[in-house]
Amino acid sequence: EVQLVESGGGLIQPGGSLRLSCAASGFIVTRNYMSWVRQAPGKGLEWVSVIYSGGSIYYADSVKGRFTISRDNSKNTVDLQMNSLRADDTAVYYCVRDSSGSGFDYWGQGTLVTVSS
Amino acid sequence: QLVLTQSPSASASLGASVKFTCTLSSGHTNYAITWHQQQPEKGPRYLMKVNSDGSHIKGDGIPDRFSGSTSGAERYLSISSLQSEDEADYYCQTWGTGIRVFGGGTKLTV
Repeated sequence: EVQLVESGGGLIQPGGSLRLSCAASGFIVTRNYMSWVRQAPGKGLEWVSVIYSGGSIYYADSVKGRFTISRDNSKNTVDLQMNSLRADDTAVYYCVRDSSGSGFDYWGQGTLVTVSS
Repeated sequence: QLVLTQSPSASASLGASVKFTCTLSSGHTNYAITWHQQQPEKGPRYLMKVNSDGSHIKGDGIPDRFSGSTSGAERYLSISSLQSEDEADYYCQTWGTGIRVFGGGTKLTV
């Protein structure tokens, strides 16, 4: 059974850093594309970043230069390092399996990040 | 530019049917998309992938009441025999090299 479990969310001050982690089970992360998607309160879904099975990485313009996606092959996890956080980064962050470029097919339960002083 | 367009809202009665539309932007009309359901206070759930030829592949446990289809640049999600738990937001999603895009979502009121 495929499962994705995010962790690492919380309350952080503007300008601070936070690292989210996504633990995958039921499949091997490195054989799939993996994305992070976020949803601000009361808003729609926004794609944040993707890491391809071959290692290529892409970001949405809104987070480029501030966020870094990575994966740990030994732990079967995907991480999102978030720096220089702003109030408009406040959102629930979801880890999503990207099914090797055939669309999102499994979602985690999400972790809430609140950026506020 | 890769863009998906959805109507913001829809409504239908219990037991009736509803059809959502997701429109691909010009130059991307042969793209496949995926549909996702988000019930109130819950995370999204994958429903199905809809291809440009109209074929669709559903996710695990998605009832037969849910189906997908295609006409030109439009991708559809149809739900028959509406139930109260179908009241949710419905998002379409597509992808290209280095980019993933969501539609704005359609809020269904049952």
